[in-house]
Amino acid sequence: RKEVEQDPGPFNVPEGATVAFNCTYSNSASQSFFWYRQDCRKEPKLLMSVYSSGNEDGRFTAQLNRASQYISLLIRDSKLSDSATYLCVVNRNNRLAFGKGNQVVVIP
Amino acid sequence: EAQVTQNPRYLITVTGKKLTVTCSQNMNHEYMSWYRQDPGLGLRQIYYSMNVEVTDKGDVPEGYKVSRKEKRNFPLILESPSPNQTSLYFCASSQSAGDSYEQYFGPGTRLTVT
Repeated sequence: RKEVEQDPGPFNVPEGATVAFNCTYSNSASQSFFWYRQDCRKEPKLLMSVYSSGNEDGRFTAQLNRASQYISLLIRDSKLSDSATYLCVVNRNNRLAFGKGNQVVVIP
Repeated sequence: EAQVTQNPRYLITVTGKKLTVTCSQNMNHEYMSWYRQDPGLGLRQIYYSMNVEVTDKGDVPEGYKVSRKEKRNFPLILESPSPNQTSLYFCASSQSAGDSYEQYFGPGTRLTVT
């Protein structure tokens, strides 16, 4: 089983719609969790950290479920500029493991 | 401007010809790391460094070397490149390794080994 698993998609989303996707991780000792955004083979950039209590940043909401070992990302009111690949990242013992990413395509 | 720089950005080389990809950060970060990104495989960590003179293997270290003689620099060395090292490479740095510290990535180096 891969350490971090994501359904690569693509997720074709009408503009204005809501999209959500999950990422599962296999190491229960994982310590911290993040969502990064990557545009078309450019460098990844931090979208948000994921806290146990869940957190929200504008149209983006992240949740962590330690019992089931997954994190989720929800994007509300999708914009064309949200089209990107969203990478799930897990920190375990000072090493980072990346998922393959969820590709989101927002359609006008 | 706070940034991570990598050089070169693009490199085409031949099998066996030693090369070095440089990485430098100006944020006084302790933690630096190298990743490669391949289609269908995602980002995989090659090596990381917790601080000066402290380096450790990531998930795919074979065929690579690193050094951390100064805090700001973390070069990636391919002693004898092979075609399976053709990839997109990213260097990253963060204030520390743990918890919620953001990783800042360089712009990437696209390497082709023929």
